[in-house]
Order: sequence, then structure tokens, then C-alpha cells
Amino acid sequence: DGGITQSPKYLFRKEGQNVTLSCEQNLNHDAMYWYRQDPGQGLRLIYYSQIVNDFQKGDIAEGYSVSREKKESFPLTVTSAQKNPTAFYLCASSASDRENSPLHFGNGTRLTVT
Amino acid sequence: AQKITQTQPGMFVQEKEAVTLDCTYDTSDPSYGLFWYKQPSSGEMIFLIYQGSYDQQNATEGRYSLNFQKARKSANLVISASQLGDSAMYFCAMSPTYTGTASKLTFGTGTRLQVTL
Repeated sequence: DGGITQSPKYLFRKEGQNVTLSCEQNLNHDAMYWYRQDPGQGLRLIYYSQIVNDFQKGDIAEGYSVSREKKESFPLTVTSAQKNPTAFYLCASSASDRENSPLHFGNGTRLTVT
Repeated sequence: AQKITQTQPGMFVQEKEAVTLDCTYDTSDPSYGLFWYKQPSSGEMIFLIYQGSYDQQNATEGRYSLNFQKARKSANLVISASQLGDSAMYFCAMSPTYTGTASKLTFGTGTRLQVTL
């Protein structure tokens, strides 16, 4: 079955450490996205990529970095520069960012930084 | 700028009854799309239904329908014959349709629906 796999489901880190969240899709989608979800808030876009080797900042990119070396993979690194990294992170993909194609989401990674 | 407002933080509905989840929006874009997503406790966001701003008819997908009232800028989700598995968070979202879609999505804060026996 096609889908999006995020790993790990739960992640714990000490403050000051960088951490990388994995996102893999086998839907053959061109566009991929990273969202952050905080309690009581809607999803906020961190980064997105419309094509391999290209990505754009979203609304809250500070303290995060991404890469898109393969179509299937879009890892997110939460750096020590991110002031409040504890959150639920969702990865998504869509067939194209140019059409009204719905997003397909992974199951998310809950990151806790202490 | 776009804004989505979901004023109901929590809703209860009895099994087999219908329920309406409210969503109002504000945008200056002439053409836009409206989406509803469901987020069960597992965390995954599941696409439910889409309505384009120029669509003449309200969108329907199985037990889900979207009550689109353009003049009132509302896009309420109606779930008919509620089931226990419908218990989840529900998010309304919108984006302009002429300059990219998902990268311009704006989400509401969500409504938690609890279906009771």
C-alpha cells in the first residue's frame, strides 16, 4: 500500500542537540511538506519542496533545515537554534503543489526536548 | 491574508445522529479551495472533502457533505449518521487556487468531536 512513513513516532532529546525526523513516501508525489502542530493551534508550515533538490521556507522555518535529495525522502532537522522545538511534527505529500490535490499525511513524530 | 475560524472547540453527538461542524473563512483571493481533514488519536491527518469556490454544488463524499455558503463565507462540514469511529479532531483549511495549493494552506484550530452511544 502507498503511503507516508514517519519515524520515529516518539523522540526525546536534550536541549542543544540537533535531531533529524525521517519522512519517506512511496506515492510518487512530487511535492512534500513539513508541518508543526501545537496544542490548540492549527498546522503551521515549516518547509516544503515541489521537486527534488529544491525546497522553500514556510511560515515558521527558523531553527529548522531540510533536504530533498530523493523524490521519496524529505528529512527535517530540528536544530538547537529552534527556541521551542517540543511539538508534534507532520510530514505530508501531494501529487503537485500547482493543483488542488489533497495532502496525504504521515502518522507524525512527537518530539520532546528537555 | 487568509484566516480560518472554527469556533467550536468541542462537540458531542449521539451515534447515528447528524452533526455540523462550523467553519468560517476570510480571504481576499477571488478563487480558493476549502478542505476538511480528520485527525484521529493516532495523529494522522485524513483528507475528507474539498470544495472549490466556483463549484456550483455543495461537495459530498459518502457521509460527509460540505455546506458551502459563499456570501456568508462559511464552509460547514456535515457528518450524517455519526459512528463511534468519527470521534476525532476535525480541521478546516483553505488555500488560493491560482498560485500553488498546499504550500498556501491555512488551517483552523480544529473541533474535537466525540460520538457517544
